[in-house]
Amino acid sequence: DTAVSQTPKYLVTQMGNDKSIKCEQNLGHDTMYWYKQDSKKFLKIMFSYNNKELIINETVPNRFSPKSPDKAHLNLHINSLELGDSAVYFCASSQDWGGGRDTQYFGPGTRLTVL
Amino acid sequence: AQKITQTQPGMFVQEKEAVTLDCTYDTSDPSYGLFWYKQPSSGEMIFLIYQGSYDQQNATEGRYSLNFQKARKSANLVISASQLGDSAMYFCAMREDNDMRFGAGTRLTVKP
Repeated sequence: DTAVSQTPKYLVTQMGNDKSIKCEQNLGHDTMYWYKQDSKKFLKIMFSYNNKELIINETVPNRFSPKSPDKAHLNLHINSLELGDSAVYFCASSQDWGGGRDTQYFGPGTRLTVL
Repeated sequence: AQKITQTQPGMFVQEKEAVTLDCTYDTSDPSYGLFWYKQPSSGEMIFLIYQGSYDQQNATEGRYSLNFQKARKSANLVISASQLGDSAMYFCAMREDNDMRFGAGTRLTVKP
């Protein structure tokens, strides 16, 4: 069974469109995350979320919004897509909220291409 | 300011030999965690090993070990007996509270 899954794996869309990426974890974890990996392989955290708190990286445009219907899901909505949004987006989850010990487990990634 | 530094963009190692991938970090928080992840060409991020800031002993997981030198703020990954399947990008990461930062990565190539 896949621990952290994302759909779709590939997403190609036009500039200006609105799209969503879904993420589900079956690990029973309390906290989920979204990361963006750019073309130079640099990974940057976008959001950290559990049922208590959402932490947004201040550099993330407000066109990006996480939506969590329940503890096992954290979807990423992107409005008015721009060329610079093209990247691989990773979802991750961890058992606890905060603290240095907590290992994050990653989904397979979604490659978004904006034309 | 850069919190995680991986100074080796690329490394080569002969199959069956050991290799060390460097990682240094910067923090003033006494409690933090250090992680290494592997990203093969297929793209997934695979957790390899974890070291806590208060752990007295270096972490080991199979062929992976973490050379943790707290005073120097370094957390180098040692891969013993390299295999062709070890060829991948390797990322060092540090977690403080809710913040997780990744290094720029090191591309390891294992030669037959």
